[in-house]
Order: sequence, then C-alpha cells, then structure tokens
Amino acid sequence: NAGVTQTPKFQVLKTGQSMTLQCAQDMNHEYMSWYRQDPGMGLRLIHYSVGAGITDQGEVPNGYNVSRSTTEDFPLRLLSAAPSQTSVYFCASSSRAANYGYTFGSGTRLTVV
Amino acid sequence: QQQVKQSPQSLIVQKGGISIINCAYENTAFDYFPWYQQFPGKGPALLIAIRPDVSEKKEGRFTISFNKSAKQFSLHIMDSQPGDSATYFCAATGNSGGSNYKLTFGKGTLLTVNP
Repeated sequence: NAGVTQTPKFQVLKTGQSMTLQCAQDMNHEYMSWYRQDPGMGLRLIHYSVGAGITDQGEVPNGYNVSRSTTEDFPLRLLSAAPSQTSVYFCASSSRAANYGYTFGSGTRLTVV
Repeated sequence: QQQVKQSPQSLIVQKGGISIINCAYENTAFDYFPWYQQFPGKGPALLIAIRPDVSEKKEGRFTISFNKSAKQFSLHIMDSQPGDSATYFCAATGNSGGSNYKLTFGKGTLLTVNP
C-alpha cells in the first residue's frame, strides 16, 4: 500500500516556466488537497477536491491550477512560476471511511530562481 | 483571518517532562480536531484527533483536551522523549459553513526534548 505518492521530490524552475506536480493515492479516498508549507506560515491550502470532476479553491490559489479526472490523481499545475512560489508542496488525501484523517505525501521541494 | 491559532511557536522540554501545546479556533462549524506530527524532510502524519462530543482523548503518552465553550483544544505529551522532537500542528475541519472537510492548520510548534 503506497499511500500518497508525490513526484518529483525536488525541482528547480526558472521564473516564468510552467510545470506539473504529480500526486497519486491508492486508498480510494474521495478528498484530496494541495498545501504549501513555508517557514512560520504553517500549511496553507491551495486547492481541494471532494471527488473526480470537483475542485475548489483554498486559501492561496493564485498561480496554481488543478483538475481531478480520476479518483486517484490530483495534479497541481504552476502556470508561470514566480520566486514567491518557492516552497514545499504537500498533497494529502482523506475519506469519510477514514474518519476524515488526512494522509500526506512526502512533499515536493520547489525552488524558483 | 487566521481561523486556528496555535501557541507556543517553540517549546523546549526536558526528557520525562510534559509538553503542552495549545490551539484556539474561531469557526463554530468545525467538528473534527486532529493533531499532526512532522519530522524534518517528511510530510505531516496524523497523531491523534478528537471530536467535540468528548472532552478528552488519550492514546498512549498523547492526550487531547477539548473545551468546546472556550473553543480551545490542547495536546499534552506525557513523559516526553527526545524522539518526540518534531513540529506539531493542530488543525480543524468540519462539514458545514462551507468548510466541507477542508483542513485548516495552526502555524505549528517546534518541540525540542532535551536528553
């Protein structure tokens, strides 16, 4: 049971480049989320999904897009990377059956230069 | 508007001591309050959680105390060990008031347990 898998683990981008952070879960969880973690800021919600085809914005959605075509996958797209998007990104999933306890991936450390 | 306020930012405890981390929330629609533990370079991991129908939940050395009227909850780590040194996050969520079970986190507490 792999849980929540995030790729890549590390990435360096130039300002203006685009990229997709991948997230996959094999627990059949209906809820999936993307967070960014910055020093002193805790974990802030970027985007959220309650099931395939349904997404919603979180606290800091600007500059990011998501889609959820399957239950398993929830990719996060950076449209035009900016230095302010340098952060550690975590994907997480949960379900009603799991009593809403979220399982987190191991994170992607992104640096935008 | 920060919906979950966590204190202290950092905490140093001697081995065998009690670590206490406090959180306060604002949204009365929250009905699930988890605590997460995060080690450097790792993702947060669910440690313990409570719902507001109970005032306390204990799992091993970890206890959550919950005060619904004050909208506060706290994590107590008894007999703290150096291996407990990590960052702890409180969080809150619910399924009404637009929360739809989105997790809102506190800003975290860096716990150091000295040997």
